[in-house]
Amino acid sequence: SYVLTQSPSVSVAPGQTARITCGGNNIGSKSVHWYQQKPGQAPVMVVYDDSDRPSGIPERFSGSNSGNTATLTISRVGAGDEADYYCQVWDSSSDHVVFGGGTKLTVL
Amino acid sequence: QVTLRESGPALVKPTQTLTLTCTFSGFSLSTSGMCVSWIRQPPGKALEWLALIDWDVDKYYSTSLKTRLTISKDTSKNQVVLTMTNMDPVDTATYYCARIQGSNPRMYYFDYWGQGTLVTVSS
Repeated sequence: SYVLTQSPSVSVAPGQTARITCGGNNIGSKSVHWYQQKPGQAPVMVVYDDSDRPSGIPERFSGSNSGNTATLTISRVGAGDEADYYCQVWDSSSDHVVFGGGTKLTVL
Repeated sequence: QVTLRESGPALVKPTQTLTLTCTFSGFSLSTSGMCVSWIRQPPGKALEWLALIDWDVDKYYSTSLKTRLTISKDTSKNQVVLTMTNMDPVDTATYYCARIQGSNPRMYYFDYWGQGTLVTVSS
């Protein structure tokens, strides 16, 4: 089965840029989606189809995908960005939705 | 306005069958490209995909849980039901339903989520 690998945690100072990665075999050939989940809340999609933003999501959130790594980039990070972030793909070989293990973003 | 709401028991005993209902509004599951999925999250752990049903006849299940899961829909009631048999304490989790809008599975992503319902499995 297809596996998505995320670092458990990322820390960044306020105002800096956070980069959260999602690794998978030839993930560049897939469409990657990203979700933000704050404590006690349901996930919210922040990026879809590698780099598109839903309406209402700030331009500070951007995504890229190439080779074996997809990246969610959050610029000018603030305390309100502290959350768990999950990547997700559809694995066509198994007809499965696959989630990464999640990355906890801490704003120092 | 799209909304989804999960309902079901908060507590089930080991070996029992769990039945969860997702009641939604703002879209129809008979519309081409619409899907509803179930995802769960054990306390402090990651999201885990469970099952998906589409606007047509297709259903997809997590391989690891396939023998225990059944997903169904009632388009007239705007509901999707998930049953999970032989519940175990490790199945304790918040269960979410979420919508997918897209006819291409490559673009299957969850644009709307319910608030989730916590199910505890304990005797």
